[in-house]
Amino acid sequence: DTAVSQTPKYLVTQMGNDKSIKCEQNLGHDTMYWYKQDSKKFLKIMFSYNNKELIINETVPNRFSPKSPDKAHLNLHINSLELGDSAVYFCASNQGLAGRNTGELFFGEGSRLTVL
Amino acid sequence: DQQVKQNSPSLSVQEGRISILNCDYTNSMFDYFLWYKKYPAEGPTFLISISSIKDKNEDGRFTVFLNKSAKHLSLHIVPSQPGDSAVYFCAAVDDQTGANNLFFGTGTRLTVIP
Repeated sequence: DTAVSQTPKYLVTQMGNDKSIKCEQNLGHDTMYWYKQDSKKFLKIMFSYNNKELIINETVPNRFSPKSPDKAHLNLHINSLELGDSAVYFCASNQGLAGRNTGELFFGEGSRLTVL
Repeated sequence: DQQVKQNSPSLSVQEGRISILNCDYTNSMFDYFLWYKKYPAEGPTFLISISSIKDKNEDGRFTVFLNKSAKHLSLHIVPSQPGDSAVYFCAAVDDQTGANNLFFGTGTRLTVIP
């Protein structure tokens, strides 16, 4: 059973379209994340949710909107897709505690988004 | 503004030899460091970590060394095996904030030659 699963794994779409990537974790973790790995292989955090509440929101265009219906799910919706959005998007989770935690993340397999 | 840097994009090592992967960071508030391993078409998986109160942590063939004064850490794999061929990411976190924001390096691709 996959601990952190994201769908779709591959997504090819035209500029201007709206698309979503879904993520689910069955680890019972409190905190979920979206990371973006760009063409330079730089893995950078986009958002973090703890118990459905947004706790990290890096400098990301507001075309990106995360949605957490419950603590096991964190979906990423992207409006008006641009060429520069092409990347691999990784969902992750961990048992984040208020205060201190180890930082070990469990990652999904990634969703490769290609915008044409 | 990259706070965690891995300056070697790739490394090739003969099977049985030692692999040494390096990582530098700029933020002195980082107090917890992790190494992740990534195979193609998979997400990164946690490998080993070290707290800033230590200078060494060992787990089997993997040892991480931390030099806080130099803001440098390294991962040693000995002996290296072909199955170790992967991309290795160094990551750091300011654990005191509780926000658990991990900063990643750009990775080093390790190839272990049989």
